[in-house]
Amino acid sequence: AQSVTQLDSHVSVSEGTPVLLRCNYSSSYSPSLFWYVQHPNKGLQLLLKYTSAATLVKGINGFEAEFKKSETSFHLTKPSAHMSDAAEYFCVYKGGNMLTFGGGTRLMVKP
Amino acid sequence: GAVVSQHPSWVICKSGTSVKIECRSLDFQATTMFWYRQFPKQSLMLMATSNEGSKATYEQGVEKDKFLINHASLTLSTLTVTSAHPEDSSFYICSAPPSGRNEQFFGPGTRLTVL
Repeated sequence: AQSVTQLDSHVSVSEGTPVLLRCNYSSSYSPSLFWYVQHPNKGLQLLLKYTSAATLVKGINGFEAEFKKSETSFHLTKPSAHMSDAAEYFCVYKGGNMLTFGGGTRLMVKP
Repeated sequence: GAVVSQHPSWVICKSGTSVKIECRSLDFQATTMFWYRQFPKQSLMLMATSNEGSKATYEQGVEKDKFLINHASLTLSTLTVTSAHPEDSSFYICSAPPSGRNEQFFGPGTRLTVL
């Protein structure tokens, strides 16, 4: 069975500094992996997805993620945090039509 | 892009009443939709898979008689929380995958508060 682990429940960065949100997965198959963002009281928004094409995936709002099979990781990064990036981020594994969510990482951005 | 809507966005009800939440795919057909529950500061937990024209599939621990799911058409699934109790208060989110696309689209969620 597949699983997704987000290693940090909370990450705090200063505005303008890099962001790293970590995600590891466990799967016997070649995965489809996604990162979603959820702002308070809002629905989920897709940031980016990996579907076995390029291992470095670029998403919206300056985010990108690198799929590393040897490390079973799909970490999300952004070079420079903005105040509007403060939100909850979910790493998600897709198998067939089923989604498995990581526990989420709350990103806080300090002025 | 594909759009999924939910109605209502927020509902407050008294304990013991039933609440119906609608999930609609606005510009595509969905033979399958998914219902999730999200408690405050927690991740999404899959409750059930809604199948058009057949019975829903429930995840372990989810009471099918309490959370009634009806997928009557290719664009509408409903979740009815029967005899709601305060512990049912949560954020309910649906999602649907358009055919041929390797992603799901999420509704904006419905916040249920049971007094």
